[in-house]
Order: sequence, then structure tokens, then C-alpha cells
Amino acid sequence: EAQVTQNPRYLITVTGKKLTVTCSQNMNHEYMSWYRQDPGLGLRQIYYSMNVEVTDKGDVPEGYKVSRKEKRNFPLILESPSPNQTSLYFCASSWDRYNTEAFFGQGTRLTVV
Amino acid sequence: DAKTTQPTSMDCAEGRAANLPCNHSTISGNEYVYWYRQIHSQGPQYIIHGLKNNETNEMASLIITEDRKSSTLILPHATLRDTAVYYCIVRTVIQGAQKLVFGQGTRLTINP
Repeated sequence: EAQVTQNPRYLITVTGKKLTVTCSQNMNHEYMSWYRQDPGLGLRQIYYSMNVEVTDKGDVPEGYKVSRKEKRNFPLILESPSPNQTSLYFCASSWDRYNTEAFFGQGTRLTVV
Repeated sequence: DAKTTQPTSMDCAEGRAANLPCNHSTISGNEYVYWYRQIHSQGPQYIIHGLKNNETNEMASLIITEDRKSSTLILPHATLRDTAVYYCIVRTVIQGAQKLVFGQGTRLTINP
């Protein structure tokens, strides 16, 4: 089954404790991206990757890092999480950078206290 | 970015057709209209997209006006499981990469 898998689904952590949210897709997609969703602000793009070793900032990249060492994986790293990064996070993938038929993961609800 | 305007919320009776409008008056000639939906807090789900012709798939139909300034998503026989937030998006290509810009969407409630 074609899918985008995020882990963990839920996470509560403390300020400053580094964490990684994993994202993996099994469709051999080139393009992957991360979004955060906040009430009243909708979904906003954090980072995206057009292929292995090619990543770029989206609209709200501050406080986040990403890497794309393999085609299937695109982890989101919070080096020093802060309470304003409490949010619902989604990973998405699509065939290539021109194809907006994106597949989304089920989301990771992160709370930073 | 071409901006879209959608009603905040809509209701529809189960079994009836749900027609969700979207205005995108600043759309440019090579920009596509995409529709996604989000059920509760799950990941958004792709529904359909189009450029200028009407499109239909197993989920829905998309009607785009001739001037392309507005479109309507039609769910022909709505079920309770179609209750969701529906997003109308104009595809933007920035620095060679596609970008999904989500607005606030329309909260569609299907009533029994």
C-alpha cells in the first residue's frame, strides 16, 4: 500500500531537548516536504526536498533542520525545541517537484512544555 | 501567489450533491486548481485538479468557469464520511518547485 509514515504520532517533550520526527515513503517519490498546522494559520511549509541531498527552506524554517540522505526518508529535526513549536506536523511526498498530487502522512502532534 | 476565497462552512444532507465554490480571480494562465480535504486532524487527502477543462474522477467532479476565476467541487452523493475541511489551492511554482499554499478551507458538514 502506498503510504507516507510518520513517527511518532504523539510526542510531549521539554524545552531544549533535541528530537527527531521521522518520515518515510514507499512510493519512490522524489519530492518531500514538511508542514506544520496551527489553529487560524492553516498549513505552512517548513522545508522541502526535491531529491536526495537537495533541501530548501519553506515559509517557516526557523528552529528546524532536515536531511535527505536516502530517497525514502526525510526526517525533521528540532535541535532545541521551544513551546512555540507546539503544533501538528505533516510530512508529504509527491512524484516530483511539478506534481502537486501529494500524499500526506497521518501527522505528528508535538507538545513542547 | 494566486489567492483563493472559500466559504467558511457549508452543510449538506446525506445522499445529496455537495457543491463547494472557490474564487481564484487572480489565477494566471498556467496555474492549476487543486482540491484537497482534511478529515478531522488527519493528513490532507488529494481529491482532484484541473487547468481549464472540467474534470471527474471516482471521488468528485471539478467545474472551472470559462474565465477560470472560479471553480466548484462537486461531491455527487455525499456521505457522512465526506464531513471534512475542503481546501481549494492554486498551484504555485516557486524557484522551480511546486508549493501547496493552504488557506482556511470550507468546513463541510454532511447531515443524516
